[in-house]
Amino acid sequence: QSVLTQPPSASGTPGQRVTISCSGSSSNIGSNTVNWYQQLPGTAPKLLIYSNNQRPSGVPDRFSGSKSGTSASLAISGLQSEDEADYYCAAWDDSLNGLYVFGTGTKVTVL
Amino acid sequence: EVQLVESGGGLVQPGGSLRLSCAASGFTFSSYWMHWVRQAPGKGLVWVSRINSDGSSTSYADSVKGRFTISRDNAKNTLYLQMNSLRAEDTAVYYCARVRRYGPDYWGQGTLVTVSS
Repeated sequence: QSVLTQPPSASGTPGQRVTISCSGSSSNIGSNTVNWYQQLPGTAPKLLIYSNNQRPSGVPDRFSGSKSGTSASLAISGLQSEDEADYYCAAWDDSLNGLYVFGTGTKVTVL
Repeated sequence: EVQLVESGGGLVQPGGSLRLSCAASGFTFSSYWMHWVRQAPGKGLVWVSRINSDGSSTSYADSVKGRFTISRDNAKNTLYLQMNSLRAEDTAVYYCARVRRYGPDYWGQGTLVTVSS
């Protein structure tokens, strides 16, 4: 069950900046931090951003995250061909007995 | 290096059972909560279940509650998902993931479960 809403697709040319939105509610994004995952074709998801805006070691600083109220966003600056992937936001949800919820996913295409 | 390796997937008939395993290495398994997450073909990620570090607390998505059971053996560094009364809509790649306070960080490569007659 996806309770976080993302646009199904986003695109840009190499070097451009692309932003992906993630809309939730007071029980998830509004009261917990947001994580972002990148899933390259045919591979497992990889943690891209955690705790709203923190990058794990090895993630390029082209990727950045932010959160405001019950929404969050992921920005990819200086878009590269290898960034073509599916991106998912996620957060804990306090209203669902401590469950974890994912966004609907956004397919990023590099034109 | 953190490694999570799922196994146990395969083809099963509707109403059948399957047990998935997730072998963990490269970290102190008994200190971490763990999740199972699934992804139906061509679809998005869906959280399935979680278990705390000593196995005393579990949670399930409504879609699998009463049919799936998550468990762990900390002596064997292994996470399990027992799946009963399987349905066609349970067909998916199943991933195990290590959980930090903020959520899952490392993921396994996944194992495919196909429910079909």
